[in-house]
Amino acid sequence: GQNIDQPTEMTATEGAIVQINCTYQTSGFNGLFWYQQHAGEAPTFLSYNVLDGLEEKGRFSSFLSRSKGYSYLLLKELQMKDSASYLCAVMDSNYQLIWGAGTKLIIKP
Amino acid sequence: GAVVSQHPSWVICKSGTSVKIECRSLDFQATTMFWYRQFPKQSLMLMATSNEGSKATYEQGVEKDKFLINHASLTLSTLTVTSAHPEDSSFYICSARDASGGTTTQETQYFGPGTRLLVL
Repeated sequence: GQNIDQPTEMTATEGAIVQINCTYQTSGFNGLFWYQQHAGEAPTFLSYNVLDGLEEKGRFSSFLSRSKGYSYLLLKELQMKDSASYLCAVMDSNYQLIWGAGTKLIIKP
Repeated sequence: GAVVSQHPSWVICKSGTSVKIECRSLDFQATTMFWYRQFPKQSLMLMATSNEGSKATYEQGVEKDKFLINHASLTLSTLTVTSAHPEDSSFYICSARDASGGTTTQETQYFGPGTRLLVL
């Protein structure tokens, strides 16, 4: 079967760095997405990785290793507004998105 | 770019009535739109994939006669919850894929703001 694993919840301190991991087992691979979802709101797109390596976008970076079935989202200089759920999703060989359950990130002052 | 709107954002209705939710891509053409449902503190659940001009593809366990989907144009898809019941109360979110852009934008789903449905 297809499976996406990410931690259920993480806690970090304002100003610090946090890394949210995602491992996946899917039938085929056409890219990995990270979305941010604040409570009560719809997800917003953060990043897309289809090749191995690190993609940096401001305070957020996303890394992919296809051979390991592994990705992480790195958030630097954490702000209180970064408190949200972070969803990892993989596009399989049928171009269907397989969603992880999300990681709830709690930022403490 | 890549803005998706949904209307209405909130619906409260009586049991047995039908509710229509609209999803529009405002600044791009979306050959494919997706409808999700999300219960509190749970993950997104894909309900159906909607392709412009053809019948929607429903996920297992989703009743197509209860959740009617129409994707009549490249910028509009509608979801009608027929004969809504309290157990249909949920957060309904649509997303759209931009068919015209480069690789990244072609694969990325952009989400609407969601519609909260409360059936009394």
